[in-house]
Formats: sequence, C-alpha cells, structure tokens
Amino acid sequence: GAGVSQSPSNKVTEKGKDVELRCDPISGHTALYWYRQRLGQGLEFLIYFQGNSAPDKSGLPSDRFSAERTGESVSTLTIQRTQQEDSAVYLCASSFGLAQNIQYFGAGTRLSVL
Amino acid sequence: GQQLNQSPQSMFIQEGEDVSMNCTSSSIFNTWLWYKQDPGEGPVLLIALYKAGELTSNGRLTAQFGITRKDSFLNISASIPSDVGIYFCAGSGGSNYKLTFGKGTLLTVNP
Repeated sequence: GAGVSQSPSNKVTEKGKDVELRCDPISGHTALYWYRQRLGQGLEFLIYFQGNSAPDKSGLPSDRFSAERTGESVSTLTIQRTQQEDSAVYLCASSFGLAQNIQYFGAGTRLSVL
Repeated sequence: GQQLNQSPQSMFIQEGEDVSMNCTSSSIFNTWLWYKQDPGEGPVLLIALYKAGELTSNGRLTAQFGITRKDSFLNISASIPSDVGIYFCAGSGGSNYKLTFGKGTLLTVNP
C-alpha cells in the first residue's frame, strides 16, 4: 500500500482480555517500529524490528507485551491480560534502508480498556 | 533515560502571526526531527536536522539544531488555519532508530 496501515483503528476491550494489533508497513521498508502514545503525551518507543535481526525490545513496558514480525512484512503487537493503564494509541512506523530516523507512521490503533 | 522538554504546551494565535516552539534535552542528540500530528492521524515528518548549528527551511517552516546538540526550535511564519495540530520534536542519540519524543505543542490558529 501507499502508507503504513494499522488495524483495527479502534479497539475496546475488557480488563484482563488479550488484544492483537496489526501493522502493515510500507512495501520495501526493512525496519518497523511500535510506539505507544498516552493521552496528552509524546510517543514512547516500544520495539524495533530490522530485517531478520533480533528485535530491540527494550521499550516494552512489561512481559504482558510482545510483538512479532514475519520477515519484512506484517507485524502484530499483542497485549495479554490488558489493564486500564494500557489504554492509549498504539502507533506503528516503518523506515527504509539507513534512514532509520526518517520514520513513516500509520494512523494508529486507539485501545480502550474498560 | 533521555527526556525532551517541549514548550509551550499550547498556543492560541491569530491567522498570519508567526509561531515559535522549542525543545531542550538533558543529553546530546545526533538528530533532531519535527513532526506534526493531526487528529486521528499518525505524526508526519516536517523537518529533519543532522548537524549542530544546522538551520533548515521547508516552506513557511524553519528549524534549527542547537550548537550544544541539546536543543532545537521550530518557527512557523504567517500561520494559516491548516497549521492547526500538535507539533512534536523528536531526537535520536546513539541508537539512530530509537526516537525520543517531546510531549507536543498544541497549536490553534484563529481565522
């Protein structure tokens, strides 16, 4: 596609349920990133994938958070046993080649945990 | 960890006025970036800065990478209604890909 695509755009879930968020990066982009944006805050780095290298998971806030990426395509971010504090917009970005700080963002998934 | 202080938090201006916002960091960054986010959308890159002292323009936008590498500012000249949105600064340090974001400046432009 032309841009980074994320689904669903909105997700409402009950506390304790698991959720999966999906990201389709721009075709040909080798790097993929997940960020979390709490209301009124900046973006927090969560995880980075680059090709087949081991991902940088240093931003994941707890072991309830995990992410996978198949090759250089789709990625899923999974949050297990969701808590109300997980409510936020989850943004995915991708970048090409060596220009890793030039990141193109999707519109995000707004997660609400009741 | 690295933190960015972005100010002001919000601005209310009249169409045609110039705007200035800035970010400061507790540590050195190698790259400074300025993004704009519209409601319900992801951030869009406006300007990227790579060298200390660099001054770069993109239309009515001008941004500078501070000499100390710990600050940056963004100016918008002759504001128009479509400039409304949240402006974020971001920086990257040793890990080129790991961006640290400020909390944003909410800009409102009154026609």
